[in-house]
Amino acid sequence: DQQVKQNSPSLSVQEGRISILNCDYTNSMFDYFLWYKKYPAEGPTFLISISSIKDKNEDGRFTVFLNKSAKHLSLHIVPSQPGDSAVYFCFTGANSKLTFGKGITLSVRP
Amino acid sequence: DARVTQTPRHKVTEMGQEVTMRCQPILGHNTVFWYRQTMMQGLELLAYFRNRAPLDDSGMPKDRFSAEMPDATLATLKIQPSEPRDSAVYFCASGLPRTGGGTGELFFGEGSRLTVL
Repeated sequence: DQQVKQNSPSLSVQEGRISILNCDYTNSMFDYFLWYKKYPAEGPTFLISISSIKDKNEDGRFTVFLNKSAKHLSLHIVPSQPGDSAVYFCFTGANSKLTFGKGITLSVRP
Repeated sequence: DARVTQTPRHKVTEMGQEVTMRCQPILGHNTVFWYRQTMMQGLELLAYFRNRAPLDDSGMPKDRFSAEMPDATLATLKIQPSEPRDSAVYFCASGLPRTGGGTGELFFGEGSRLTVL
């Protein structure tokens, strides 16, 4: 039972362009979402979070948008850089369901 | 520089052998998680503890996996007997509860890569 879904396994963008990574969730009770970034041979690291009382949170080149009615969140990276190439996981830490999506592999081409 | 420490980083073993992975959470974090990363399932939650008490281990195959926290500075994940399908990277993470419920940011270790032949 995938409660957090990342339906696109991979994304390739040109350096300098915008990367948009999407995540859908099934439980409307989820109220807190986080994005993690993972490089090969390393553990995931926290990137940005958003609470359900907001619909947008911005940190430098990274912005997360939350659409509660659609149960959808997205991570925007602009401008994308080659160092952003990694696997990105969305995560909800709400209550007892500590669920990660399966991840999206982002490749940023120089 | 606070970090989650996992040992071993790499383990190759034969089917049927016992495997024990260890994790030292960040000092002061009272919530500890074990995740497994596979190509097919992404990051699967195996078990998690709060204040050393197991809260959820429903993701773990109970017949062969066990997770414990002997004290606040050590979490262990044991597989006995190990099988080839257990080959994966096992991550430990620690964190603190979030005000209002749930868990806030998790801090991950670098993982233990297990290969069962």
